[in-house]
Amino acid sequence: DTEVTQTPKHLVMGMTNKKSLKCEQHMGHRAMYWYKQKAKKPPELMFVYSYEKLSINESVPSRFSPECPNSSLLNLHLHALQPEDSALYLCASSQVTHNEQFFGPGTRLTVL
Amino acid sequence: QQQVKQSPQSLIVQKGGISIINCAYENTAFDYFPWYQQFPGKGPALLIAIRPDVSEKKEGRFTISFNKSAKQFSLHIMDSQPGDSATYFCAASNQGGSEKLVFGKGMKLTVNP
Repeated sequence: DTEVTQTPKHLVMGMTNKKSLKCEQHMGHRAMYWYKQKAKKPPELMFVYSYEKLSINESVPSRFSPECPNSSLLNLHLHALQPEDSALYLCASSQVTHNEQFFGPGTRLTVL
Repeated sequence: QQQVKQSPQSLIVQKGGISIINCAYENTAFDYFPWYQQFPGKGPALLIAIRPDVSEKKEGRFTISFNKSAKQFSLHIMDSQPGDSATYFCAASNQGGSEKLVFGKGMKLTVNP
């Protein structure tokens, strides 16, 4: 299985809502990533988990809260988002010592 | 020094033609150079990657050329097909350091039938 899955595919939320994005991989990878991608831009790194511990936080606002319950799962909890947070949110994974990152299909988030 | 500069921003080629995308970097510590292909509404897919110990890598119609002295690398798509129409991102990272990938700004390729 060489797939990274993400749910939901689409999400519309109001600025006062709380929602979560989910990511799963079964490749035995020990590094997992959250990226944000705006239209016509490259992916922008948000968080990196290595062996289920947060290793990189790219100065992301606290309204985004990542969680890694186990080596296969990665969540991104969303609260009090702003309309400018609307974007494609991508999850990726890689072997810890290998830079070959595999991306999921993304969640298209719209904040009203 | 962390930038990867990608050109052109967009490219239109005819079916059967050759598409060439160029990238340049400054950080000599980079030792891993992948290319990603992204279709609208989808996640980036790893297409092909190269390390600086080789000057060229070919996989099917896709070839990476790497020039270490010039700090440049390029993707050549031979016999371009309409199905190749997508956005292509080059990237670079330092395997020995942070796993963070530095992406180029992307290039939108359109292959006309």
